[in-house]
Amino acid sequence: NAGVTQTPKFRILKIGQSMTLQCTQDMNHNYMYWYRQDPGMGLKLIYYSVGAGITDKGEVPNGYNVSRSTTEDFPLRLELAAPSQTSVYFCASSLPGAGGTEAFFGQGTRLTVV
Amino acid sequence: LAKTTQPISMDSYEGQEVNITCSHNNIATNDYITWYQQFPSQGPRFIIQGYKTKVTNEVASLFIPADRKSSTLSLPRVSLSDTAVYYCLVGDIFSNTGKLIFGQGTTLQVKP
Repeated sequence: NAGVTQTPKFRILKIGQSMTLQCTQDMNHNYMYWYRQDPGMGLKLIYYSVGAGITDKGEVPNGYNVSRSTTEDFPLRLELAAPSQTSVYFCASSLPGAGGTEAFFGQGTRLTVV
Repeated sequence: LAKTTQPISMDSYEGQEVNITCSHNNIATNDYITWYQQFPSQGPRFIIQGYKTKVTNEVASLFIPADRKSSTLSLPRVSLSDTAVYYCLVGDIFSNTGKLIFGQGTTLQVKP
C-alpha cells in the first residue's frame, strides 16, 4: 500500500518562480490536508479539503492555492515563491471526522527558495 | 477544535517511563483526544486515541480523567528511538469541518 505520496522530495526555487507540489493518496480518503513546518516549529495548516471540488483555507493560506478535482489528488500551488516559503511541506489524508480519526502523512517535500 | 497546551520539551533517560500531559480545558462532549509522534524529517504518525478513562496499545497508554480537561500520554521504558515530537490534538469525531490543527508539540529527548 502506497498511502500518501508526495512529489518531489526536494526542490530549490528562485524567488518569483512557481511550482506545484503533488500529493496523491490511494486510501479513498475524503479529507486531505496541506501543512508546512518551519525548522523547530509545529505544523501549520495551509489548506484542507473535505472532498472533491471542496477546499478551504487553514491557518496560513497566503501565497498558496489548491484544487481537488479527484478524491485521490490534492496539489498545492505556489505562484510567486518567496524566501518565507522555505519550509517542509506535508500532505495528509483521513476519513471524515477529522478530529477523531487517524490522519496519514506523506514523507514531505523540502522546499528552499533562494 | 479545542485548544491544547503541552510542555515545550522534556528530557528522559533510557528505560524510564515518560508521561506527557496535555491540557484541553474547553474540550466538548463529542471531542476525542488523539496523539501523534513525529520523528525528524518525517511526517507525524498516529499513536493513540481515546475518549475517556484509559486506552492502551502496543506503543503507549493514554490516561483521561473524568472531567476530560487534560490527558496524559504514557510511554513505558523509553529508548533512544522514542526521541521525537509528540502532539496532542482534540477534535470532534463527528465534525465535517475537516480542520486538523496541530500545536507546537512536546519535544522528547531520550538520553543514554
